[in-house]
Amino acid sequence: GNSVTQMEGPVTLSEEAFLTINCTYTATGYPSLFWYVQYPGEGLQLLLKATKADDKGSNKGFEATYRKETTSFHLEKGSVQVSDSAVYFCALPKGNSGGSNYKLTFGKGTLLTVNP
Amino acid sequence: GAGVSQSPSNKVTEKGKDVELRCDPISGHTALYWYRQSLGQGLEFLIYFQGNSAPDKSGLPSDRFSAERTGGSVSTLTIQRTQQEDSAVYLCASSLARVTGDEQFFGPGTRLTVL
Repeated sequence: GNSVTQMEGPVTLSEEAFLTINCTYTATGYPSLFWYVQYPGEGLQLLLKATKADDKGSNKGFEATYRKETTSFHLEKGSVQVSDSAVYFCALPKGNSGGSNYKLTFGKGTLLTVNP
Repeated sequence: GAGVSQSPSNKVTEKGKDVELRCDPISGHTALYWYRQSLGQGLEFLIYFQGNSAPDKSGLPSDRFSAERTGGSVSTLTIQRTQQEDSAVYLCASSLARVTGDEQFFGPGTRLTVL
């Protein structure tokens, strides 16, 4: 099945610094790709997604581009804030067919801490 | 409307006891998922429901784990004879349909601690 490898961190940045969290995937075909975020004490929530190759997902100043050439979906933000401190997960469907395109497989998660 | 809710938020139990975890999905969501989040294993898929049926139980770690869903809504995950390695955060998610790219909405989770 499909799999994802994510930079594990932790990552500590100062406010207004540039953020990159690397994510690479192994997949058959071109499945949708996701970034989920988990704020302290809260559940996972979808941050952004891209449903086909070369798409760019964006939300809250975060961006990620679906790059089939490098099988990557790196998360970036130009200027992080203290409120961005959270755990970030890269994810994709475990399979592409046969009913396995619904369950997600996640990276290990990257803890981001942004200091004022 | 309300998001996905789970209860209890925390559960501490003794080894060997049975526990039940509850999930209330978003109204109208036909698909429901259980995942487990633990330090050593990250986020793991456990089971998926479409309506009341579970076409995929492949992620359940042992036969001590079972789940059911009634009325196409509430789901219960039951762990029998709990073991210390069952300690984790159990997450429930729901979505509208089984379409690739369809967003899964997660609940806050139940933190299970087995002493």
